[in-house]
Amino acid sequence: QVQLQESGPGLVKPSQTLSLTCTVSGVSISSADYYWSWIRQSPGKGLEWIGYIYYTGNTYYNPSLKSRFTISQDTAGNLFSLELTSVTAADTAVFYCARIGSRSSSSGVPAFDIWGQGTMVTVSS
Amino acid sequence: QSALTQPRSVSGSPGQSVTISCTGAIIGIGGHYYVSWFQQHPGKAPKLIIYDVTKRPSGVPDRFSGSKSGNTASLTISGLQAEDEADYYCHSYGGTYILELFGGGTKLTVL
Repeated sequence: QVQLQESGPGLVKPSQTLSLTCTVSGVSISSADYYWSWIRQSPGKGLEWIGYIYYTGNTYYNPSLKSRFTISQDTAGNLFSLELTSVTAADTAVFYCARIGSRSSSSGVPAFDIWGQGTMVTVSS
Repeated sequence: QSALTQPRSVSGSPGQSVTISCTGAIIGIGGHYYVSWFQQHPGKAPKLIIYDVTKRPSGVPDRFSGSKSGNTASLTISGLQAEDEADYYCHSYGGTYILELFGGGTKLTVL
């Protein structure tokens, strides 16, 4: 059974750097069949795709977001991470990690099929 | 501002059918079939209910169906049940630059 679990601080001060981790179980993040994603949802708002990382280490980001986001992976630990620099109150949100199948692979579903439970991050002094 | 437009809200009575639309230029591109739909209950993570326009993941009731016409994708829920009350989001592959797009979400109220 594939499971994703986010972890990180619930509270971050303005201007600091937020670091979140998504620990994956039941499948290797080194699989060529999937991309590993971060998605956020501000309070009362919709879903916003942040970006994803492929097993090669290649990263892809939402071009509409300023380049404060960095996604990285730890294949030995089977986890991937999100870093967001210079946070402001506008970054307060629930952050989800999710899996999406590669559209060039016959395996997997080419949609965000498995999600973590989400982690709430509040930016406040 | 989302490049995928959904109605803010829809409603229906138990047993009825409702349809939620998702409109965007990317959906109308020939051969494009990477549209998916998610159901999100309050305080919960989104759940995939439709992918590749019409396909249902294992365990999703066949009351949920998807379709596409022109630049609009649609999610139809038939035989509405109280537990269908939730927010629904469409998602589409946005091409090699935009990559992934979500609609703004639609709140479904079961009357």
